[in-house]
Amino acid sequence: AQKVTQAQTEISVVEKEDVTLDCVYETRDTTYYLFWYKQPPSGELVFLIRRNSFDEQNEISGRYSWNFQKSTSSFNFTITASQVVDSAVYFCALSLNKAAGNKLTFGGGTRVLVKP
Amino acid sequence: KAGVTQTPRYLIKTRGQQVTLSCSPISGHRSVSWYQQTPGQGLQFLFEYFSETQRNKGNFPGRFSGRQFSNSRSEMNVSTLELGDSALYLCASSFNSANTEAFFGQGTRLTVV
Repeated sequence: AQKVTQAQTEISVVEKEDVTLDCVYETRDTTYYLFWYKQPPSGELVFLIRRNSFDEQNEISGRYSWNFQKSTSSFNFTITASQVVDSAVYFCALSLNKAAGNKLTFGGGTRVLVKP
Repeated sequence: KAGVTQTPRYLIKTRGQQVTLSCSPISGHRSVSWYQQTPGQGLQFLFEYFSETQRNKGNFPGRFSGRQFSNSRSEMNVSTLELGDSALYLCASSFNSANTEAFFGQGTRLTVV
């Protein structure tokens, strides 16, 4: 069975600090997909990134960057120069091969609080 | 382009009653998934519908059911409500059923009293 662990339940930083969110996953499948979602107070989950298991290239999108390391089964997320608007709960998620469809297994989430 | 619309946004029901929640996906999307979010259990997958067929089902009792219509709109139903069913129910819309990114609605907050 697959599992996603986000060990940090809450992180508090001051604006402009960098913050890194950890995500460790478990699966026996060789083909899988990893996601990050942001959940602001309004409730909806906002898609941030999707990465398949064969693409270990790190990715940067503005102030966001992701580090995927298959050797340690981790898919960490860094927010550079954090802003108050980054305050939200962030979820890492895993989906398996096509047979599993769009079923997402989520981690427990990390609440990020950015103070001005 | 309109996003995912869930109705109603808030609902209060009494134990033993049943409830139906609705989700209209993004136009052109054929997959709709449902998730339950609670403080204790986090985000848990309920089921996915694709082209009117249930594609996948999570580990929930038979009281939880769903369906999808030909226009891709989906409904989920919970019968014989229990206090533990109080949760935020989120609907996710995807273009197809192949691990594509999901776009979520704002959810329906169900409170069972």
